[in-house]
Amino acid sequence: GESVGLHLPTLSVQEGDNSIINCAYSNSASDYFIWYKQESGKGPQFIIDIRSNMDKRQGQRVTVLLNKTVKHLSLQIAATQPGDSAVYFCAENRRGGFKTIFGAGTRLFVKA
Amino acid sequence: KAGVTQTPRYLIKTRGQQVTLSCSPISGHRSVSWYQQTPGQGLQFLFEYFSETQRNKGNFPGRFSGRQFSNSRSEMNVSTLELGDSALYLCASSLDGATNEKLFFGSGTQLSVL
Repeated sequence: GESVGLHLPTLSVQEGDNSIINCAYSNSASDYFIWYKQESGKGPQFIIDIRSNMDKRQGQRVTVLLNKTVKHLSLQIAATQPGDSAVYFCAENRRGGFKTIFGAGTRLFVKA
Repeated sequence: KAGVTQTPRYLIKTRGQQVTLSCSPISGHRSVSWYQQTPGQGLQFLFEYFSETQRNKGNFPGRFSGRQFSNSRSEMNVSTLELGDSALYLCASSLDGATNEKLFFGSGTQLSVL
């Protein structure tokens, strides 16, 4: 069935280290992938996206990698800061689907 | 530019009652999607509306319904509330809901069913 899954429910990193959050998706027809960040008491916020014709995209301190061969998506956060503590969701959007499917989420803890 | 606005922020209802939640999208956005968020199930897609038409619906019982008005504002309704309906209900908007479009979320309505 449809699913966008995450390998780890929680991730704890030291401030200043790099963080890597992984995600698996099931449908090879998906052509757009997005990472969202959700802080306590707020709705998810867009971080970065990538289209299926790309394998890497960089933003400010964040990088998304897409491996279509194994249907894997990852979010890398450089020099993780306390403000990065949140739940991170990967999501996929399919052509003509008119819906975005979310993964289960990974909670990132940043230790000072 | 104002973000997505959801009202009310909190709701407490009892089993068997019904509830209506409201969402005002970002100005100019015509696609509105609704999600149910629970600790155990994550974000589950409820439905998506564009130009007052429901274009997609998730796997929820018929007690969950929605509508969209000509100004793109949307409401969702849950009838005959059950304890399991307790959740954070999130609304998201985008320009037209086409592929390759990110969503902008409101802060949600936290519904508690007692």
